[in-house]
Amino acid sequence: AQKITQTQPGMFVQEKEAVTLDCTYDTSDPSYGLFWYKQPSSGEMIFLIYQGSYDQQNATEGRYSLNFQKARKSANLVISASQLGDSAMYFCAMREVSGSARQLTFGSGTQLTVLP
Amino acid sequence: ETGVTQTPRHLVMGMTNKKSLKCEQHLGHNAMYWYKQSAKKPLELMFVYNFKEQTENNSVPSRFSPECPNSSHLFLHLHTLQPEDSALYLCASSQQTSDRLFYGYTFGSGTRLTVV
Repeated sequence: AQKITQTQPGMFVQEKEAVTLDCTYDTSDPSYGLFWYKQPSSGEMIFLIYQGSYDQQNATEGRYSLNFQKARKSANLVISASQLGDSAMYFCAMREVSGSARQLTFGSGTQLTVLP
Repeated sequence: ETGVTQTPRHLVMGMTNKKSLKCEQHLGHNAMYWYKQSAKKPLELMFVYNFKEQTENNSVPSRFSPECPNSSHLFLHLHTLQPEDSALYLCASSQQTSDRLFYGYTFGSGTRLTVV
């Protein structure tokens, strides 16, 4: 079964607008962490933001915020004030403490294109 | 330049060749990983090394052979590969601690492998 689901293969956003990238996950482990990574065309995976399952507040890192809805098992990434340099693949990932995904497990990704 | 360096960046090899991919990290991390990224598929975890010991092998064919001589270096030895093995191979490292859920993975830029 898919642990991480990203239903948007591609997204477009106008420069300076906000965009939400969807991510849902599947776990029965009460302890887990959710991650978002950015992968530009150069190939490197760049860590953006982290949310722990016990964290009460939504994580924020600069223009990135994570909309964590635990009951819905969703962890959407919100990018505010999009920039041309934000064009890249974005991956949602999860790590469980005791489940089968004790190592970082990735979704299939969303290709974001920022339009000038 | 990230803290994880992979060489070569690009590799073209015939099905009868033997080659090796190299990964080096200078972050003082105690765990290293090999991931495979094929087109239109999620990243697949191949191998995990923790303190130089292999802790996971996710049913990877024997034509892929990892080696971790020390906690800073990781190799992936390749022999008699198939065209479907063409992919981006990503190395990552992390500082695994049992008492923390979060430990970020730092990725290299990957080796783009083409098997002809």
